[in-house]
Amino acid sequence: DAKTTQPNSMESNEEEPVHLPCNHSTISGTDYIHWYRQLPSQGPEYVIHGLTSNVNNRMASLAIAEDRKSSTLILHRATLRDAAVYYCILRAGNDYKLSFGAGTTVTVRA
Amino acid sequence: NAGVTQTPKFRILKIGQSMTLQCTQDMNHNYMYWYRQDPGMGLKLIYYSVGAGITDKGEVPNGYNVSRSTTEDFPLRLELAAPSQTSVYFCASSLVRELFFGEGSRLTVL
Repeated sequence: DAKTTQPNSMESNEEEPVHLPCNHSTISGTDYIHWYRQLPSQGPEYVIHGLTSNVNNRMASLAIAEDRKSSTLILHRATLRDAAVYYCILRAGNDYKLSFGAGTTVTVRA
Repeated sequence: NAGVTQTPKFRILKIGQSMTLQCTQDMNHNYMYWYRQDPGMGLKLIYYSVGAGITDKGEVPNGYNVSRSTTEDFPLRLELAAPSQTSVYFCASSLVRELFFGEGSRLTVL
């Protein structure tokens, strides 16, 4: 399985943008890049996913490098509620399972 | 629309006891999953199912069994509970790409 590498932790101030990097140098052409987050004492929740083009939704934006070996999840204005563990996951196009790593713990300062 | 419902939320077992964690979803999703999460770690896949009557092992299936007799239900059976099975268990379901998770079941084996 293709692996991802994320920083262990990041800090941000409230109402400032947060850029979460993810390296996936062994990504294959059919791998989708998925992001989930896990708020304290809750199950993970879907944030966003993409294949080649940048993606936006109401929660976040996903910027994918041209060579697809890295991506960045962007939270445009962090709130206290965005404090969570963020997981970057590669998922093959014909696979319905997700493998979670340790993720990045995001702390938001008021 | 309840989503994914797990019961019980908390349970304490003695070593050697057995129990079943219940999971039901009302979204008519074909795919269902069981994960466990140890403190400070990412989620590990125990078992998954691609439809009623079909189940398969994930990364850490030893000590567990599952069944999928209906689309809605995917119970996880623990036989002969061991302290190493102390964890938080998450059930999830999906239609295509996005996984929806339950709130988790916290199990302690003493």
